[in-house]
Amino acid sequence: QVQLQESGPGLVKPSETLSLTCAVSGYSISSGYYWGWIRQPPGKGLEWIGSIYHSGSTYYNPSLKSRVTISVDTSKNQFSLKLSSVTAADTAVYYCARRGGNGDFDYWGQGTLVTVSS
Amino acid sequence: SSELTQDPAVSVALGQTVRITCQGDSLRSYYASWYQQKPGQAPVLVIYGKNNRPSGIPDRFSGSSSGNTASLTITGAQAEDEADYYCNSRDSSGNAVFGGGTQLTVL
Repeated sequence: QVQLQESGPGLVKPSETLSLTCAVSGYSISSGYYWGWIRQPPGKGLEWIGSIYHSGSTYYNPSLKSRVTISVDTSKNQFSLKLSSVTAADTAVYYCARRGGNGDFDYWGQGTLVTVSS
Repeated sequence: SSELTQDPAVSVALGQTVRITCQGDSLRSYYASWYQQKPGQAPVLVIYGKNNRPSGIPDRFSGSSSGNTASLTITGAQAEDEADYYCNSRDSSGNAVFGGGTQLTVL
């Protein structure tokens, strides 16, 4: 059973960098698939942030591309998100997920709330 | 455009059939996938590809597509189907995109 678990600070100050890690169990990232980050502001819909392959190849949401970096650590079977210059608009529940062969997201983490506030 | 448009809210009587739609130019080329999200929970994939259900998803959930519109149909809606539903697809660059979501109420 594939499982994903997000971790990282729940509170980030404006203008600083949000950093989250997604630990994967039950499947080796090196075996394939893209792995992604999706966020959901309180009371709003889902927004794809970006995805990464085990080789390091990435796709980013064009609207966030200038502030986003996604990286992968196959030795630890985890991948990470960095979002720079955050504002209150970046307050959201952040999910990590596996992107399946059809482009769908078939396994999700439970999500972690990140609040941007001073 | 890679945007996906959904009706904000839909309601259905218990046991009846409901169709939730998703519109977007990318759907002419790529299939939509559908997710169910209940309050406080992560989204769950319910339909992917042409019309495939992951293990554990009831067969009352089905998907279809025509032109620029993808549909999720729930045949015989149950009280536990009350949730938000999101469609998802991709654009020609491989970027993922989500619809705005549809809140389903089961009356």
